[in-house]
Amino acid sequence: QVQLVQSGSELKKPGASVKVSCKASGYTFTSYAMNWVRQAPGQGLEWMGWINTNTGNPTYAQGFTGRFVFSLDTSVSTAYLQISSLKAEDTAVYYCAREGRYFDLWGRGTLVTVSS
Amino acid sequence: SSELTQDPAVSVALGQTVRITCQGDSLRSYYASWYQQKPGQAPVLVIYGKNNRPSGIPDRFSGSSSGNTASLTITGAQAEDEADYYCNSRDSSGNQVFGGGTKLTVL
Repeated sequence: QVQLVQSGSELKKPGASVKVSCKASGYTFTSYAMNWVRQAPGQGLEWMGWINTNTGNPTYAQGFTGRFVFSLDTSVSTAYLQISSLKAEDTAVYYCAREGRYFDLWGRGTLVTVSS
Repeated sequence: SSELTQDPAVSVALGQTVRITCQGDSLRSYYASWYQQKPGQAPVLVIYGKNNRPSGIPDRFSGSSSGNTASLTITGAQAEDEADYYCNSRDSSGNQVFGGGTKLTVL
């Protein structure tokens, strides 16, 4: 079954870090780029950037540089999003999305809540 | 701010036709793709390219484009089509961008 399975919800304190995983199955992981998309509560979709699953080279959208890191473990067909120095405004659902030329496969999303 | 502009909300009577639009200069160079998102769910691709539907998307969904405007048309809207709809394309730098989304209400 072709799918992206994301890790579960996280509750973190401000200043902490979080690592979200996105495990692909049912297709060749390195045949598609992996994108990350944020959706803050009640807000729209915001593209965070993407990672080349062949080279591991990440590209970050404006506003997602510095504290955000995309990485891969191709041996287990998994992409990761790490966010450091968490702030309350990082509270959101984070989606991974497979891209051929379009986002044709999405994970279910991971809710990250940042609260003291 | 998004470089793709969508109306925040649109409504349609059950069984009628509705057009959801997306405006942006980059749409003169790139096709838009369209995503449907229901509450608590991940987005789902409904239209891509010139006017293509992924497997499983009903044929009442269609896409078109003219100049700087892309449109998603639902012909014979059903209650289950009530959702948020997002357009996606590239910005002036070639990076991905989403429109602000349109909340569709089926009356």
